[in-house]
Amino acid sequence: EIVLTQSPGTLSLSPGERATLSCRASQTVSSNYLAWYQQKPGQAPRLLIYGASSRATAIPDRFSGSGSGTDFTLTISRLEPEDFAVYYCQQYAMAPRTFGQGTKVEIK
Amino acid sequence: EVQLLESGGGLVQPGGSLRLSCAASGFTFSDYAMTWVRQAPGKGLEWVSAISGSGGIIYYGDSVKGRFTMSRDNSKNTFYLQMNSLRAEDTAIYYCAKDMESRPLTPDYWGQGTLVTVSS
Repeated sequence: EIVLTQSPGTLSLSPGERATLSCRASQTVSSNYLAWYQQKPGQAPRLLIYGASSRATAIPDRFSGSGSGTDFTLTISRLEPEDFAVYYCQQYAMAPRTFGQGTKVEIK
Repeated sequence: EVQLLESGGGLVQPGGSLRLSCAASGFTFSDYAMTWVRQAPGKGLEWVSAISGSGGIIYYGDSVKGRFTMSRDNSKNTFYLQMNSLRAEDTAIYYCAKDMESRPLTPDYWGQGTLVTVSS
């Protein structure tokens, strides 16, 4: 099983600032099969990024993904009020699929 | 518009069984793999199971393997999660989700979830 470790656990930022979230895998994620999800309280997750760097449908271009191998990053270039949420990475290169433990982006 | 509607959640005693259903619409159901993900109260996401579009490939998470069975009925645009030998730690919101391709990859659309509570 691939273990995903996200850091930091919580990120305290102000609107307009840049957010950088990290996801590290315990072994290589082949084909860059790494996705990022956003979840707000009381809501289902929403797919942001797949294939490590491809934006999902209707996702604003302030969200970008990068990385390969075992190290991946989600960057939100300028935080909007609606971006404060919990973010999860997920690998789908190997069964069982696994999620990271999440990074909470909160308003400073 | 893709729509996924879960049903079947509720309160069940430890050791009991429950079957969740997810009715899909807005896309060609048999062309896509489907997934179940759960979230315990106040916790993170846990991937549970996925099934290919044809139903020929099924994956399970380690914590549910041997107890849960995922299946689909492409004639009814519905897929299922049969949960047996339920434990307190299975208490969670269960989300059904549509994958991006016919083979199990990663979900792009999610239902709103159904709550399963395992308690005596």
